[in-house]
Amino acid sequence: GQNIDQPTEMTATEGAIVQINCTYQTSGFNGLFWYQQHAGEAPTFLSYNVLDGLEEKGRFSSFLSRSKGYSYLLLKELQMKDSASYLCAVVNAGKSTFGDGTTLTVKP
Amino acid sequence: DVKVTQSSRYLVKRTGEKVFLECVQDMDHENMFWYRQDPGLGLRLIYFSYDVKMKEKGDIPEGYSVSREKKERFSLILESASTNQTSMYLCASSLNRKETQYFGPGTRLLVL
Repeated sequence: GQNIDQPTEMTATEGAIVQINCTYQTSGFNGLFWYQQHAGEAPTFLSYNVLDGLEEKGRFSSFLSRSKGYSYLLLKELQMKDSASYLCAVVNAGKSTFGDGTTLTVKP
Repeated sequence: DVKVTQSSRYLVKRTGEKVFLECVQDMDHENMFWYRQDPGLGLRLIYFSYDVKMKEKGDIPEGYSVSREKKERFSLILESASTNQTSMYLCASSLNRKETQYFGPGTRLLVL
């Protein structure tokens, strides 16, 4: 079976750093995606990890540890526009299984 | 830029009606997917397709069917709509099995 866990909600202050965790237990693993979804909109791609370690892309970084079944998304220099849901998705045999998402609220 | 379009943004249907949701992508992607998204349940895969005329069941295929007659088009069919199929339906496509998925804008379906 597939099980992906993320915190339901997080709140952070503009300019700060926030880390959104994702743990997974899946029958197979080909990679892990992070998507951003603003309210009423479709998810959009943020990052993809297939090997252990940190992938950095501007203000966003994503980390993966396959042995621990763990990933996190790190958002730096938070902006108000970063208020959104962040979805962790594990890929196995071409199928993506999504977590329920973490709703991040950025406050001034 | 990849463009994934869905035939309707909002749809209201009655119980028992047959419903067609269309999805078209313009980037010659091999893979296409249909999800539904519900509060507290996240994104759940209904069906996906790796090639024309090929389809595979996702996690919640009951009550749905799909059709992929052309590479760019993937249709989701609700044979007899029920109120528990009220949801946001999202279509996605990807170049291959390991690439990121690009999502359409979604169709919010209300079944009365």
